[in-house]
Amino acid sequence: DARVTQTPRHKVTEMGQEVTMRCQPILGHNTVFWYRQTMMQGLELLAYFRNRAPLDDSGMPKDRFSAEMPDATLATLKIQPSEPRDSAVYFCASGLGQGKGQPQHFGDGTRLSIL
Amino acid sequence: GQQLNQNPQSMFIQEGEDVSMNCTSSSIFNTWLWYKQDPGEGPVLLIALYKAGELTSNGRLTAQFGITRKDSFLNISASIPSDVGIYFCAGRGYGGSQGNLIFGKGTKLSVKP
Repeated sequence: DARVTQTPRHKVTEMGQEVTMRCQPILGHNTVFWYRQTMMQGLELLAYFRNRAPLDDSGMPKDRFSAEMPDATLATLKIQPSEPRDSAVYFCASGLGQGKGQPQHFGDGTRLSIL
Repeated sequence: GQQLNQNPQSMFIQEGEDVSMNCTSSSIFNTWLWYKQDPGEGPVLLIALYKAGELTSNGRLTAQFGITRKDSFLNISASIPSDVGIYFCAGRGYGGSQGNLIFGKGTKLSVKP
């Protein structure tokens, strides 16, 4: 089965450091989503791309977070500078098409700890 | 904004028992999805629903898209220990940014052998 691949699976770093998370969507999928999962907030959408163009990043703190898709096989989420409150599991998901009827397929996440 | 209320938050049941959980939204949805998340992994899609009243099964799992378009239900029959995990509902409404899913907070299921 094709799967979304995320790297790294775990990241521990000190406050103030830059963090880069990578995602390889399922081949052929044209929509990519970044989510953050915490115990308190559950799954929160951070950013959403279709055909590599950012469509919605309203859920993302703009001052420190940035999301890009350099090509169709790679999506990145960067945090600079990182803060302890950024500690969470970050999921990438990909899907086909738009609107109704297209489920999202999730990677296994990057577990981020900021000390 | 759109909100999803998922119930119950957690369940502790005996192996063999049936399980029911539900999600309600503050607005009409055109898609309901049910996911399961195991520890250390990402959510995995279980069932997708696209029409009001639709009833879909996946093995021992059955989900329904409510007639009002504001709710969905997931039932698990004859639970087994590997059903343990967190079950999430997700829905997509009309309008707003297309493609966005709204997720419930999850139902944590524990099964006692």
